[in-house]
Amino acid sequence: GQQVMQIPQYQHVQEGEDFTTYCNSSTTLSNIQWYKQRPGGHPVFLIQLVKSGEVKKQKRLTFQFGEAKKNSSLHITATQTTDVGTYFCAGRTEYGNKLVFGAGTILRVKS
Amino acid sequence: GAVVSQHPSWVICKSGTSVKIECRSLDFQATTMFWYRQFPKQSLMLMATSNEGSKATYEQGVEKDKFLINHASLTLSTLTVTSAHPEDSSFYICSASSGADTYNSPLHFGNGTRLTVT
Repeated sequence: GQQVMQIPQYQHVQEGEDFTTYCNSSTTLSNIQWYKQRPGGHPVFLIQLVKSGEVKKQKRLTFQFGEAKKNSSLHITATQTTDVGTYFCAGRTEYGNKLVFGAGTILRVKS
Repeated sequence: GAVVSQHPSWVICKSGTSVKIECRSLDFQATTMFWYRQFPKQSLMLMATSNEGSKATYEQGVEKDKFLINHASLTLSTLTVTSAHPEDSSFYICSASSGADTYNSPLHFGNGTRLTVT
């Protein structure tokens, strides 16, 4: 079945450093979504990417969708303590109706 | 924005009893809702897709007789964990999409239910 791999599993950075999490799918995706889950909270939608090679920005967050639509990344510039949480990618196949979540990357930021 | 309310937030029950979890879309109608299970520091595993007015679609390995899903209205889906055992202890979370295209719209998640079976 469809698998979505996400790395790293965990990252601890100093405040002000950059952070990147990567997502890779075993099959071509129709779209990919990113969610953030704060400790003790529920996942909150960040963004959806649909087009091959698409790049979207939200303030310090940059999201990319690979040309082959099988991988994606989320990059945070100059992390802040408010960025702490788990970041999940979730991909949907071209012929499927399920959203498959990656394992998530736990981000911790030292101030 | 679209809000999904889930109740209860946490529940402790004895082994062998049943627990019902409610998931409501407060400001939109949801013909489809999704139930996930999340273990500590792990990803969200889709358990089943709840369809209003029809039977739920369960993922492989999920026992439909143990995890009963009812989607009686466009704003309410319930998950009942029957004859709960300690291994059912987990974080259960529901979600729904407010977009016209359920399968290409963002998901809005409830706050989740922490179930502990003693």
